[in-house]
Amino acid sequence: NAGVTQTPKFQVLKTGQSMTLQCAQDMNHNSMYWYRQDPGMGLRLIYYSASEGTTDKGEVPNGYNVSRLNKREFSLRLESAAPSQTSVYFCASGGTLVYEQYFGPGTRLTVT
Amino acid sequence: TQLLEQSPQFLSIQEGENLTVYCNSSSVFSSLQWYRQEPGEGPVLLVTVVTGGEVKKLKRLTFQFGDARKDSSLHITAAQPGDTGLYLCAGINSGYALNFGKGTSLLVTP
Repeated sequence: NAGVTQTPKFQVLKTGQSMTLQCAQDMNHNSMYWYRQDPGMGLRLIYYSASEGTTDKGEVPNGYNVSRLNKREFSLRLESAAPSQTSVYFCASGGTLVYEQYFGPGTRLTVT
Repeated sequence: TQLLEQSPQFLSIQEGENLTVYCNSSSVFSSLQWYRQEPGEGPVLLVTVVTGGEVKKLKRLTFQFGDARKDSSLHITAAQPGDTGLYLCAGINSGYALNFGKGTSLLVTP
């Protein structure tokens, strides 16, 4: 039982490049989330998907897009990376008790 | 807007000491969660408190939810180096989005 998996674990991009962060969960959870974690800022919600087929903006959605591919997978896309998007990105999923979320190991992204 | 304020921000203690960290808000939460995050890892859920005044124990960790459901505390008895990490409180104000505090970074030295 892998829980929540994320790929890649590390990534370096140049300004203007694009990339997609992948997330998958095997817990049959309905809701999935993307957060970013920055020093002194805590965890901030970028986008979430309450169920398959729906997505909603969180606190800091600008510069990102998401796709809920199926119940298991939720991807985060940076169309034109900026240095301000240097961060650690966490994917999470939540079951019946949506407030109890399970996190992946994170993707450490640096944009130069 | 930071709905949840955690204090202290940093705490460095020696093994065997007791400590308490706090999570405060001006908003009422239907529940609060505590997570622990170790370096290079994602947060791991420790506990959820739901009822005002509720106390939950997890081995040497004691969690309390305020009577008005606006604040919570985490008390660790006889801290061990394995308790080192970032402690985060979180809660849902409405909908699906968890609001996180900025965390308390705890270092326990032998």
